[in-house]
Amino acid sequence: SQKIEQNSEALNIQEGKTATLTCNYTNYSPAYLQWYRQDPGRGPVFLLLIRENEKEKRKERLKVTFDTTLKQSLFHITASQPADSATYLCALDISSGGSYIPTFGRGTSLIVHP
Amino acid sequence: DAGVIQSPRHEVTEMGQEVTLRCKPISGHNSLFWYRQTMMRGLELLIYFNNNVPIDDSGMPEDRFSAKMPNASFSTLKIQPSEPRDSAVYFCASSTGSGDTQYFGPGTRLTVL
Repeated sequence: SQKIEQNSEALNIQEGKTATLTCNYTNYSPAYLQWYRQDPGRGPVFLLLIRENEKEKRKERLKVTFDTTLKQSLFHITASQPADSATYLCALDISSGGSYIPTFGRGTSLIVHP
Repeated sequence: DAGVIQSPRHEVTEMGQEVTLRCKPISGHNSLFWYRQTMMRGLELLIYFNNNVPIDDSGMPEDRFSAKMPNASFSTLKIQPSEPRDSAVYFCASSTGSGDTQYFGPGTRLTVL
């Protein structure tokens, strides 16, 4: 069966450290993968998109890697800040009948301690 | 732009009642998505529209759920009759295309007693 797995346990780190979140998937061949941030009581907000032929993407303090052999994406936040505390969702866009169907993981909660 | 607008923000109803959730996508966006989020199942895609036409409704849980998009600026998700297991946060999102960045609304928190 198809699965998208994100660590269900919260990731606790100290301010200034690099946070690394993992998204693993099985039985999918995604065209691309997206990362979203969700704060309590709000909808997810898009952060980064990486395509299947890209290995790495960066945006300010954020970096995403995509390994289609390992079927894994890593999401890094460098110099983390308490304001980075949120739940981070990965989403795979699967090609289906000419359209792309987004499928989300359940998210990992990140807590950055001052 | 005001972003994706959803109403109501909170809805409390009794089992058996009809519930209608509303969404106004971002102007110019051609794709609209309805999601349901629960602790147990995470964020699930229910249905999505492209140019007002339903493309994939395989995520709609059962016949009690229906969605319409009569024009490019309005969509509804209806549950009739509602059941306690329908309690969740329902999100609407829009994008310029099916594979493009999605912009989510603030969600409707539905509680069915």
